[in-house]
Amino acid sequence: QSALTQPASVSGSPGQSIIISCTGTSSDVGNYNRVSWYQQHPGKAPKLMIHEVTKRPSGVSNRFSGSKSGNTASLTISGLQAEDEADYYCYSYAGGSTYWLFGGGTKLTVL
Amino acid sequence: EVQLVESGGGLVQPGGSLRLSCAASGFTFSDFWMSWVRQAPGKGLQWVANIKKDGSEQYYVDSVEGRFTISRDNAKNSLYLQMNSLRADDTAVYFCARDSLGGVDIWGQGTRVTVSS
Repeated sequence: QSALTQPASVSGSPGQSIIISCTGTSSDVGNYNRVSWYQQHPGKAPKLMIHEVTKRPSGVSNRFSGSKSGNTASLTISGLQAEDEADYYCYSYAGGSTYWLFGGGTKLTVL
Repeated sequence: EVQLVESGGGLVQPGGSLRLSCAASGFTFSDFWMSWVRQAPGKGLQWVANIKKDGSEQYYVDSVEGRFTISRDNAKNSLYLQMNSLRADDTAVYFCARDSLGGVDIWGQGTRVTVSS
């Protein structure tokens, strides 16, 4: 039951775009469209940003978008803003006896 | 307002037990699977367990199987996590969460569990 693989950190300047990857296997990310992304500010509960790979919940900025290719899902944040600085986690259904997996998390720094 | 509020966390000795509760409001609790997710200090998120709408099925991460029990009372709009044989590596903030949209869409604020002598 290994966690999904995310880069430990990414950074970008205000206005730029960044991409956070989430790599799994053909048993989880590659096999299901049940991949979601969460934003977590320090000391706060996570917040859903993307669900079912590409869908954005009501109220989430359209600067956030999701995609998937093979066993890797990606979160793109365009037009970076200071308030985007946070930890981001991917989450995927894995079926079998593993059920659900989170990525290890990525710390986004807005320079 | 859709809301989940956890309670029951605290300090417990290794080998001890604790029962977490989660009170749901603002939605029809019995229409949703529910999960517990935890986060150890300075670490990432880990799915712990989830339970079917009617409570008839439960699933666990390997590391808590046989020690933790997830349950629910739909009449009380409440979710529970009974934690037995607690270990130091169970120390974490435990979040109650609603399963929806192919993942988790609503989170509680979390309750802190510390396992230490």
